[in-house]
Amino acid sequence: NAGVTQTPKFQVLKTGQSMTLQCAQDMNHEYMSWYRQDPGMGLRLIHYSVGAGITDQGEVPNGYNVSRSTTEDFPLRLLSAAPSQTSVYFCASRRGWSSGNTIYFGEGSWLTVV
Amino acid sequence: KNEVEQSPQNLTAQEGEFITINCSYSVGISALHWLQQHPGGGIVSLFMLSSGKKKHGRLIATINIQEKHSSLHITASHPRDSAVYICAVGGTSYGKLTFGQGTILTVHP
Repeated sequence: NAGVTQTPKFQVLKTGQSMTLQCAQDMNHEYMSWYRQDPGMGLRLIHYSVGAGITDQGEVPNGYNVSRSTTEDFPLRLLSAAPSQTSVYFCASRRGWSSGNTIYFGEGSWLTVV
Repeated sequence: KNEVEQSPQNLTAQEGEFITINCSYSVGISALHWLQQHPGGGIVSLFMLSSGKKKHGRLIATINIQEKHSSLHITASHPRDSAVYICAVGGTSYGKLTFGQGTILTVHP
C-alpha cells in the first residue's frame, strides 16, 4: 500500500493563478481532510470529506475548493492564489468518522505564492 | 487561549536522557493523538489514546481524562528522535481534530 500520496511536493505560484493539489489514498478510508501548517500555529483544517460526494468546510476554507468524486481521491483547488496561502499543505485520511481512528498523512506540499 | 497547549515548545536533550512532552486541553474529548514530524517530512501517528497508557518501544504515552492532560515520554533518547511532536485531540463534532503547536525536540549525540 502506498498510503496517502500528495502531489506536487513543491510549487511556486504567482498571485492570481489557480492550481490543484492532488491527494489519493489506497486504504479505502471514508474520511479525508486537508490541513495547512503555518509557523507557530497548529495544523488547521481547510476542508474535509466523510465519503464520496460529501464534503464540508473546516476552520479556514476561504480561497479553497474541494470535491470527492471517488473514495480514493480528494483534490484541493486554489481558485486565485494569494500570498496568504503560502503554507505547507497536508492531506490526511482515516477510517470512518471517529476521531479515535489512526490518521494517516501525506508527505506534504510546500506552496509559495509570490 | 488555545484549546490544546503543548509544553515545552522547544526541548534540547543529550543522547540517553529521559524526555517528557506535555499536552493540556480545555475541551471534552473522545481521543488524543500523538504525532511525529521529521524536518521536511510527513507526519506519522505514534499513539491514539482514550484512556490510560500505551507503550511502543522507547515511547510511552499517558492520558489523564479528569485532569485533561497527556504526556509523551521517550526513554533513552537518541538523535534520531529529533523531530516535532504534535498533540491532537478529537472531539465529538464530526470527528474533527484540534492540534497543538508542536514541541521541537533536538537530541544531541
